[in-house]
Amino acid sequence: QVQLVESGGGLVKPGGSLRLSCTASGFTVSDYFMTWIRRAPGKGLEWVSYISGSGSDTYYADSVRGRFTVSRDNAKNSLYLEMNSLRADDTAVYYCARDKNSNYFFDYWGQGALVTVST
Amino acid sequence: DTVMTQSPATLSMSPGERATLSCRADDSLRTNLAWYQQKPGQGPRLLIYGASTRATGISARFSGSGSGTEFTLTISSLQSEDAAVYYCQQYTYWPPAFGQGTKVEIK
Repeated sequence: QVQLVESGGGLVKPGGSLRLSCTASGFTVSDYFMTWIRRAPGKGLEWVSYISGSGSDTYYADSVRGRFTVSRDNAKNSLYLEMNSLRADDTAVYYCARDKNSNYFFDYWGQGALVTVST
Repeated sequence: DTVMTQSPATLSMSPGERATLSCRADDSLRTNLAWYQQKPGQGPRLLIYGASTRATGISARFSGSGSGTEFTLTISSLQSEDAAVYYCQQYTYWPPAFGQGTKVEIK
């Protein structure tokens, strides 16, 4: 069955860096657009980043562009989010999700990884 | 960016009752609207896409309707396991955007 498992979350100081991983099973990531979405405490869901099946096309929310980088390793069936220059308002649970048929909605999600940016 | 507004913020209802959740967009979406259910400690689950098409394995107690700027998620005959936060999401315009969520509580 389809499963997505995030890892790599934790506590980091402002200005620091963190790398999230998302390992997929039950399907081949190279066949799908994949995305990262986050939910800050007390707030709703916010789309963060997209990557195409080939990895050649990437897209970012204005709030993270220039600081976050999405990538994928199809051999490992995995997705990554490199987060630099982290700020307090990046504190959130980060979810990876699969795009259903490149339609920009999401049919499978992971359980999330908590990122806390604080001194 | 497209602004999605959900109402009410919280809905407290008894088992067996019918719940109606609303989602409004500030521009026409046609029917490019999805609904998700999120329970504590879990990732969201896709319930509805295309405004009214149930996702694989979703109970017929969940139904979606609407087009343009006004959409509704109806949960007929609420059950205890329906306690969750429900989000709508538009995918007509870039970037994809979510509502703030409606929390459904079961009395």
